[in-house]
Amino acid sequence: EAGVTQFPSHSVIEKGQTVTLRCDPISGHDNLYWYRRVMGKEIKFLLHFVKESKQDESGMPNNRFLAERTGGTYSTLKVQPAELEDSGVYFCASSQRGMNTEAFFGQGTRLTVV
Amino acid sequence: DAKTTQPPSMDCAEGRAANLPCNHSTISGNEYVYWYRQIHSQGPQYIIHGLKNNETNEMASLIITEDRKSSTLILPHATLRDTAVYYCIVRGAGSARQLTFGSGTQLTVLP
Repeated sequence: EAGVTQFPSHSVIEKGQTVTLRCDPISGHDNLYWYRRVMGKEIKFLLHFVKESKQDESGMPNNRFLAERTGGTYSTLKVQPAELEDSGVYFCASSQRGMNTEAFFGQGTRLTVV
Repeated sequence: DAKTTQPPSMDCAEGRAANLPCNHSTISGNEYVYWYRQIHSQGPQYIIHGLKNNETNEMASLIITEDRKSSTLILPHATLRDTAVYYCIVRGAGSARQLTFGSGTQLTVLP
């Protein structure tokens, strides 16, 4: 069974440009989460989808970040325009519907804004 | 979700048991204790979770004190590949809410 897949694994962009990160969750997982770790800080929650609906987006830092989950399958996280402080590793995780199910994480996308 | 406290770092000899403590004194009755780890720059990996009974799986054992204010993750025979940051997370029951990561414990397994 394929795990959570994230693309690209690395991205280097200039300040002001746009970047789109993609996450393919484990097939059949209704819950999809985005997290990020910026340099020297803890892993922080960004948002949570249940199927195609945003369940909780309280962790999104500002309106430069836009997440979508088309048809309840894969998800994208767009940063537009990117700023230097957006640099970090962005993780996606998915879990099955139900209570107390474990979340499976992807390998992350390392974003560097220069 | 209740806050957790973990030591910043620990060492363990290869082949020996690694015992990682976690304090969660404000845990409420319906909150679970989860453990994840992050090996180098990989994505976090689920290890185990429990409510009040001790739990064991192929990776580890979780011992939760009777008052549930603390717990210990046990890796019975640590290997070099177990070197990672280990996170103890308290999470509300009956939900698919997000995980709140702290700073974790850096476990270094020594040859």
